[in-house]
Amino acid sequence: GQSLEQPSEVTAVEGAIVQINCTYQTSGFYGLSWYQQHDGGAPTFLSYNALDGLEETGRFSSFLSRSDSYGYLLLQELQMKDSASYFCAVRSGSSASKIIFGSGTRLSIRP
Amino acid sequence: DVKVTQSSRYLVKRTGEKVFLECVQDMDHENMFWYRQDPGLGLRLIYFSYDVKMKEKGDIPEGYSVSREKKERFSLILESASTNQTSMYLCASSALSGDNEQFFGPGTRLTVL
Repeated sequence: GQSLEQPSEVTAVEGAIVQINCTYQTSGFYGLSWYQQHDGGAPTFLSYNALDGLEETGRFSSFLSRSDSYGYLLLQELQMKDSASYFCAVRSGSSASKIIFGSGTRLSIRP
Repeated sequence: DVKVTQSSRYLVKRTGEKVFLECVQDMDHENMFWYRQDPGLGLRLIYFSYDVKMKEKGDIPEGYSVSREKKERFSLILESASTNQTSMYLCASSALSGDNEQFFGPGTRLTVL
């Protein structure tokens, strides 16, 4: 079967750094994505890692280790607007088009 | 501006009714997806399509069917709605190549009474 595991909740302080981990089990793995979803909104794309290593986009970075079936999203200089749910998602399957999501991590930022 | 639209934001149906949820994208994307989102369960894949008239089951296809007659349109059908299908339904599309970014529609909140 296929599964993704990520923490259900994380709390951090404004200005700090937080890391959200994701472990996955899937067949035909092609890459790991991260999405952000604010309450009442639709998920929006943050990053995609197809190869091992760190990808940086502004305050957000994403890491992938294919050998460990593991990745993380790193958020730096946290701002109140970063309070949201974050989902990891894997691209897999024989057609390379199947995308399944984890259950999400709710990030709460304290002043 | 890229756009994925869904036919309704809110929908209320009765048990046993046939329900159609429509999704249209204007980005000429090959892939289209239907997810349902429930608290604590994340986004669960119902069906996806990687080409016109092509479809594959996701993780929870039972009770649902789909149709993709045109590239820009992907429909989700509940043949006989049940109360456990009350949920938020999200449609998404993505290109076949590149970073596989999915673009989501605003969602349809379906309530089955």
